[in-house]
Amino acid sequence: SQQGEEDPQALSIQEGENATMNCSYKTSINNLQWYRQNSGRGLVHLILIRSNEREKHSGRLRVTLDTSKKSSSLLITASRAADTASYFCATYLMGTSGSRLTFGEGTQLTVNP
Amino acid sequence: EAGVAQSPRYKIIEKRQSVAFWCNPISGHATLYWYQQILGQGPKLLIQFQNNGVVDDSQLPKDRFSAERLKGVDSTLKIQPAKLEDSAVYLCASSSEGRGTQYFGPGTRLLVL
Repeated sequence: SQQGEEDPQALSIQEGENATMNCSYKTSINNLQWYRQNSGRGLVHLILIRSNEREKHSGRLRVTLDTSKKSSSLLITASRAADTASYFCATYLMGTSGSRLTFGEGTQLTVNP
Repeated sequence: EAGVAQSPRYKIIEKRQSVAFWCNPISGHATLYWYQQILGQGPKLLIQFQNNGVVDDSQLPKDRFSAERLKGVDSTLKIQPAKLEDSAVYLCASSSEGRGTQYFGPGTRLLVL
């Protein structure tokens, strides 16, 4: 079953604008990760935030995590046409039977030149 | 560092035929994953290997899907017989032991007619 649910499902913005995507999840996690997938290709890891962290930055990316609300957001600042892709949040949990990364349904971001 | 390799990139078969996919993970990565990604959805874990042992195959349809990683390096995923609903992208990923970040291959796009 899918753990993370992204919102919105699709987002269309102009180049230079900021894009914000949200993710909600249901169970405890060890960390939450964001991945990008360009059309018809494999996923690329963007950023990981641990459960004891509240905010993390990487270049033009800013991720927040609120474990009390079981939610996370990904902000892409000063967007570029090359940022057009699907973005997935994934929750990571280590258990007695191993670890699992569970993906949401994704947000399709279109950045118009 | 070479990434995760997968082949073939595309495969078209008729229902009830069999098909096999191959994956070569990043050198030194002990953990290997197979995901199924149906169009418009996030990846769903099919099976996870730690070295050559299965850690999690709870979401693998074992009546038709099988996977192996005999020498703890390369892996193959087989579908026999294929159904129309198996049309999807099959992604292979690998990770270092104890870390949450996964590295994905380009995927194999399967179309079952």
